[in-house]
This record gives sequence, structure tokens and C-alpha cells, in this order.
Amino acid sequence: GAVVSQHPSRVICKSGTSVKIECRSLDFQATTMFWYRQFPKQSLMLMATSNEGSKATYEQGVEKDKFLINHASLTLSTLTVTSAHPEDSSFYICSAISGGLGYTDTQYFGPGTRLTVL
Amino acid sequence: GNSVTQMEGPVTLSEEAFLTINCTYTATGYPSLFWYVQYPGEGLQLLLKATKADDKGSNKGFEATYRKETTSFHLEKGSVQVSDSAVYFCALPTQGGSEKLVFGKGTKLTVNP
Repeated sequence: GAVVSQHPSRVICKSGTSVKIECRSLDFQATTMFWYRQFPKQSLMLMATSNEGSKATYEQGVEKDKFLINHASLTLSTLTVTSAHPEDSSFYICSAISGGLGYTDTQYFGPGTRLTVL
Repeated sequence: GNSVTQMEGPVTLSEEAFLTINCTYTATGYPSLFWYVQYPGEGLQLLLKATKADDKGSNKGFEATYRKETTSFHLEKGSVQVSDSAVYFCALPTQGGSEKLVFGKGTKLTVNP
């Protein structure tokens, strides 16, 4: 149980284009999803918290107009990198917390999406 | 907020060697503690967790004990395998009641046959 998928796993795009990454919880409802960015050989940097039916909460220093997040349903959140540039090339990982009654602190991670902007 | 300090790697071991990866934390209260593992080219997987003091989390031969006296959650395995080669992250909530996690910098483990 608690499987999270991401699509696509890899994407290469030209500078200036927009790229959409999907994050789905396959066997549970996720009231909260998180988006992370990971640079090579580094830890995860939290970009934003995505809650179903409300606006995402962005971490300090993350451009909300560049990284658009939509939590359309209890099983789907999308991250759109708008007008991508080479410096946006990175490994993007989502995670989800199982919804339900009470507080839960265990995040389940997707397999990640490797974005390369040419 | 809470913070975590993790032993820096990389760590290189021979198969069947004993593994310890140190993790210490600073926290208000007694939050849950986690170890996540990231295999090459993949996302993170929850390896084990402990929710209260003196709890021992275990999975796939790995163990970690929540020690409030030393504010530590060291990861151990008695006999590593080549397939254990990965990056290991220690993590805990950013603050009490938060669903956000703060991660250590990660420790890369390489196990040679």
C-alpha cells in the first residue's frame, strides 16, 4: 500500500517551454502532497505544500508564478514549471500524506522526475 | 524548528560488514523519527520509523533506536549487501504537529562485493 507515482519519469524540453509533472497517490487519498527539488548529491529542498482544494503554500525563495501547483483531487497534484530555463534542470520529487482522521506524519514518496532543460 | 545532523559520507564497505550511520537531532518534544533510502535514480522510500522514545524501528535488516538521552537515531545493519548501496536520509518533522519534514544531508553508502 501507500504507492505514489510520478509522470513523466524523465523529460527533456527546450528553454522557454512549460513542463507539467503529475503526482498521483495510487491506493490512498492524499489530502496533502509535497513537492521537493533535489540537486545532484544533495538533500531534498521542500518547494511547496499542496492541499486539495486550496492554494499551495510555497517555501521562502520559491517563485510561485514559475512553479505552478494544482491539487485537483485527493489523488492528483501537478507541478508546472513555466518558461523553463537550464537552471531549472533538476530532479523533482513529490510525496503524499495519507488522508483520514487525525494527524499523520509519514510521507510516501514518488519515484521522481528528471527534468533537463536545453 | 527541529533540525537533524547526519554523518557525512561517503561510506564504503565490503559485503557482510557492519554498518552504522549516525543521526542526531534537535527537537521540541518527542517527534517521530524516520530513515528514508534513495536508490540510484529513484525517489525516496521509507525504510523505518520510530514514534516515541526507546522505540526501535526495523526493516530489511536495518534497525534504529529512538534515544532521547542522546537525541540520536543511528541506523545500523549487521551485515550489508551490495543491494544496500544507496543514499540514506534521516528525517523528522520540522516542528510539533507539522507534516513537513526536515532531512539530513544524506549519506551515500557503497557496498563492494
